[in-house]
Amino acid sequence: QVQLQESGPGLVKPSETLSLTCTVSGYSISSTSYYWGWSRQPPGKGLEWIGSISYTGKTFYNPSLSSRVTISVDTSKNQFSLNLSSVTAADTAVYYCARIRSRESLVFWGWGQGILVTVSS
Amino acid sequence: DIQMTQSPSSVSASVGDRVTIACRASQAITNSLSWYQQQPGKAPKLLIYAASSLHTGVPSRFSGGGFGTNFTLTISSLQPEDFATYYCQQGYSRPLTFGGGTKVEIK
Repeated sequence: QVQLQESGPGLVKPSETLSLTCTVSGYSISSTSYYWGWSRQPPGKGLEWIGSISYTGKTFYNPSLSSRVTISVDTSKNQFSLNLSSVTAADTAVYYCARIRSRESLVFWGWGQGILVTVSS
Repeated sequence: DIQMTQSPSSVSASVGDRVTIACRASQAITNSLSWYQQQPGKAPKLLIYAASSLHTGVPSRFSGGGFGTNFTLTISSLQPEDFATYYCQQGYSRPLTFGGGTKVEIK
């Protein structure tokens, strides 16, 4: 069974960098059939795709966040990570990592449980 | 960006009711449409992909349809565990985008 687990600080100060890691178990992150991505959901609101990465390190970012986002992959640890710089209160959200199937279309095939990150001083 | 619009934003229904949720894309996306169910405090779960393909383990009372710009998710006979929020998502082009969600509430 494939499992994804987010980890990282639950509280980040304004203007600092939010850093999260997703650990994948039960499946090799080096698969060619999937991308690995991040999405977020502000409290009481809808879902927003942040970006995705392939096991080769090819990245795709949401243009609305691309100037502040970096996603990286560590195949030796079966992990991928998110950095979001210069955070503000508007970045407070539950952050999800996900496995994204990349066949005919891009589908969020599985999700982590999510981690709430609050931006506050 | 492709905008996804869901309707209604909420619906009140009873156990056993048939419920249909609509999702419209701002441009044609062939059948590159997925549906997700989200329970309060939980991560979304994939229900349907490629507009009408049922994900493994999803009950057959869920069905999807549509092509191009107009799509539907139907729950044929609502069960207590189906009260949740449902999201559509287009996987045709990046940036990947979601609909605003439809909350299915108990009547």
